[in-house]
Amino acid sequence: AQSVTQLDSQVPVFEEAPVELRCNYSSSVSVYLFWYVQYPNQGLQLLLKYLSGSTLVKGINGFEAEFNKSQTSFHLRKPSVHISDTAEYFCAVSDRDNQGGKLIFGQGTELSVKP
Amino acid sequence: EAGVAQSPRYKIIEKRQSVAFWCNPISGHATLYWYQQILGQGPKLLIQFQNNGVVDDSQLPKDRFSAERLKGVDSTLKIQPAKLEDSAVYLCASSLSPGAGQPQHFGDGTRLSIL
Repeated sequence: AQSVTQLDSQVPVFEEAPVELRCNYSSSVSVYLFWYVQYPNQGLQLLLKYLSGSTLVKGINGFEAEFNKSQTSFHLRKPSVHISDTAEYFCAVSDRDNQGGKLIFGQGTELSVKP
Repeated sequence: EAGVAQSPRYKIIEKRQSVAFWCNPISGHATLYWYQQILGQGPKLLIQFQNNGVVDDSQLPKDRFSAERLKGVDSTLKIQPAKLEDSAVYLCASSLSPGAGQPQHFGDGTRLSIL
């Protein structure tokens, strides 16, 4: 079974500052990794995903994440945040061999960008 | 392309009443998912359909929840009778095909409040 832990429930940051949202996962099998963003009263949007290849993955809106297999982490970063990045961010994993593609989500990190 | 459509957006009912949610996936998407997102938590998969067949319903409380996807397109999720703990956002998602690496596209959800 897989599990996902997002280490920070809330991250306040000032506009134009860098940010890192931390995600650790636990799994006995190989996984795919995802970051989704959820704006208030909306569904989830895919930011980026790691399937294979380069461990540094670039996504939309200037976000990137790095897969670290030895530390079982997949932290999300952005060098300079905007007010519009204020949202809830979810890390998720999927068993590579699961034909259904079931996603296991973390608890979420609320990013609050202040002017 | 049109996104995943869900209705209603909001629903308030009393405990022990019944309620139904509707989802129309992205055209051509064979796989459909229903997730439950309780406040402060990440989404949890309730049921997954591949066309009109059930792939995974291991976390669906079958004594009160039911879902169907007739004709392999639209889907409905029903709760009967509702309990206070069912208060949550119910998210529908679809993907082109099943598989762990396939991106899932989410609707805006139905926010259910049980009084």
